[in-house]
Amino acid sequence: GDSVTQMEGPVTLSEEAFLTINCTYTATGYPSLFWYVQYPGEGLQLLLKATKADDKGSNKGFEATYRKETTSFHLEKGSVQVSDSAVYFCALRPGSARQLTFGSGTQLTVLP
Amino acid sequence: GAGVSQSPSNKVTEKGKDVELRCDPISGHTALYWYRQSLGQGLEFLIYFQGNSAPDKSGLPSDRFSAERTGGSVSTLTIQRTQQEDSAVYLCASSLVRDGGYEQYFGPGTRLTVT
Repeated sequence: GDSVTQMEGPVTLSEEAFLTINCTYTATGYPSLFWYVQYPGEGLQLLLKATKADDKGSNKGFEATYRKETTSFHLEKGSVQVSDSAVYFCALRPGSARQLTFGSGTQLTVLP
Repeated sequence: GAGVSQSPSNKVTEKGKDVELRCDPISGHTALYWYRQSLGQGLEFLIYFQGNSAPDKSGLPSDRFSAERTGGSVSTLTIQRTQQEDSAVYLCASSLVRDGGYEQYFGPGTRLTVT
């Protein structure tokens, strides 16, 4: 079945460091890919998305590129801030379905 | 505008009792989803409602779990004879399924603790 494998955390970085959170997927067909973020005490929020191969999703300085050849959708940010501390979830939506399949989540802590 | 709301925010119940969790989707959103977030299993899909179509119940873990959506809006997730392994955060999401739109907006969740 469809699945998402996400880099295990927790990840701790200093402010202004470069961030990469790895995400790979297994799916039939052509899924849409997403990154969701969950800030402390808040609900899940969509961070960015990509719907086809080579698409790049971007938002708030975060980027991820849909790589079909490596079945990956790694999340990157050039300079993290303390306010980026949160749990990040990679997810996919198979072409034929509406529900999301999530990775296990990666806890990011950014220190000042 | 108002987002997805869920109630209660926290629920503590004794093993064997029934519980009902409520979700109010964003007005006008035709699709509604329930997910469960637990330590051992991560985020799991439970059930999906779309308009007047029969719900997709493929993610419900057992027949103790059921959900309904009245009038195409509010949804209630019911867990009968709760077990300790049902302890989790139950998340509701809604989306406007039109012209290919599918972004899901999540509520804050209900934290269920079964003692």
